Amino acid sequence: AQSVTQPDIHITVSEGASLELRCNYSYGATPYLFWYVQSPGQGLQLLLKYFSGDTLVQGIKGFEAEFKRSQSSFNLRKPSVHWSDAAEYFCAPNTGNQFYFGTGTSLTVIP
Amino acid sequence: GAGVSQSPSNKVTEKGKDVELRCDPISGHTALYWYRQSLGQGLEFLIYFQGNSAPDKSGLPSDRFSAERTGGSVSTLTIQRTQQEDSAVYLCASSFTGGNLAKNIQYFGAGTRLSVL
Repeated sequence: AQSVTQPDIHITVSEGASLELRCNYSYGATPYLFWYVQSPGQGLQLLLKYFSGDTLVQGIKGFEAEFKRSQSSFNLRKPSVHWSDAAEYFCAPNTGNQFYFGTGTSLTVIP
Repeated sequence: GAGVSQSPSNKVTEKGKDVELRCDPISGHTALYWYRQSLGQGLEFLIYFQGNSAPDKSGLPSDRFSAERTGGSVSTLTIQRTQQEDSAVYLCASSFTGGNLAKNIQYFGAGTRLSVL
């Protein structure tokens, strides 16, 4: 069965520190990969996506993600976190006929 | 409007009542999705509309849930005889579908927070 795992339910980082949010998936074939962010009281917004080619993709707000086929992972990273990055982050593999989102990772940023 | 609009933003109802949640997608978007987000859970897919095709209802949790999309635009999610476990945020998204469906970027509304007392 297809599944997506975000093992970190909640992460707290200091402003200016680096960040990595993990995402692992289990699919028969490599899905297209998305990360979305949800700010409090808002809907989800696309951060970045991976379809093919360069396995390191850049997104908005200074985020990047790296696709590692051997590990079935698509981890999200940011070198220096800003207080405004506090939000819920969702990994979303997509095969086109199923729509899966991970359970999300809640990010708290402390000054 | 410029984005996906959902109404109401909050809905409080009594157990056993029916509720209707509305979604206005982005103009020109042919695909529309409904999701349910419960506390501490990810997004649970409910239903998907694509143009004039029959909707994908595979995610609807029970026959109390139904949705329609009129004129290929506005959609209404109806929950009949609401139960307390229906309390959640209901999110709507739309996308412009061209080519590979799996590449569609979904644009989300802010959601409707449903509370069943």
